[in-house]
Amino acid sequence: LAKTTQPISMDSYEGQEVNITCSHNNIATNDYITWYQQFPSQGPRFIIQGYKTKVTNEVASLFIPADRKSSTLSLPRVSLSDTAVYYCLVGSSIYNQGGKLIFGQGTELSVKP
Amino acid sequence: DSGVTQTPKHLITATGQRVTLRCSPRSGDLSVYWYQQSLDQGLQFLIQYYNGEERAKGNILERFSAQQFPDLHSELNLSSLELGDSALYFCASSVTQPTTIEYAFGSGTRLTVV
Repeated sequence: LAKTTQPISMDSYEGQEVNITCSHNNIATNDYITWYQQFPSQGPRFIIQGYKTKVTNEVASLFIPADRKSSTLSLPRVSLSDTAVYYCLVGSSIYNQGGKLIFGQGTELSVKP
Repeated sequence: DSGVTQTPKHLITATGQRVTLRCSPRSGDLSVYWYQQSLDQGLQFLIQYYNGEERAKGNILERFSAQQFPDLHSELNLSSLELGDSALYFCASSVTQPTTIEYAFGSGTRLTVV
């Protein structure tokens, strides 16, 4: 499984766009890049997943360059409720039986008023 | 609501005791994963079951065991509990697609060993 590196913490203000970059130099051909959000004392919540280029949903965008060695999670116009830990994970399913995901330390995002 | 149900939400027990944590996966998911989250260790993968069979093991202590039953619910058994076992225990289940995986996490069981 590819190891990921991301900043330990980031600060932002309400209304700003936040970009969190994750490095995954050893990503494998079959690996997808997935981001999760975790609030204190709650289980992680799936945000977005992508393989290459750009993916956008109602919550965030995910930018993946051609070499796939890094990815950037973009949160538009953050609010106080976006204060959470964000995890970048890299992995793939194995023969339709699921694959374990290994969580790194994550990025603690603090949004201030 | 992720669709994954964990019980109980809170558990307080004494050192040396044994407890069982229960997880019902999201409807249709065959894989169940257990994670432990403590303040100093982050989210640690413990064990994975797929359709009743153990598929992967992480940093799970010998005092801990798990199983997945025919109805796909899973139980994590923790025995000879120590103070250091105090943590949040999360269960997750996955949508098994050919090339992607998306986990749904339960709200966790907070275990406090006193």
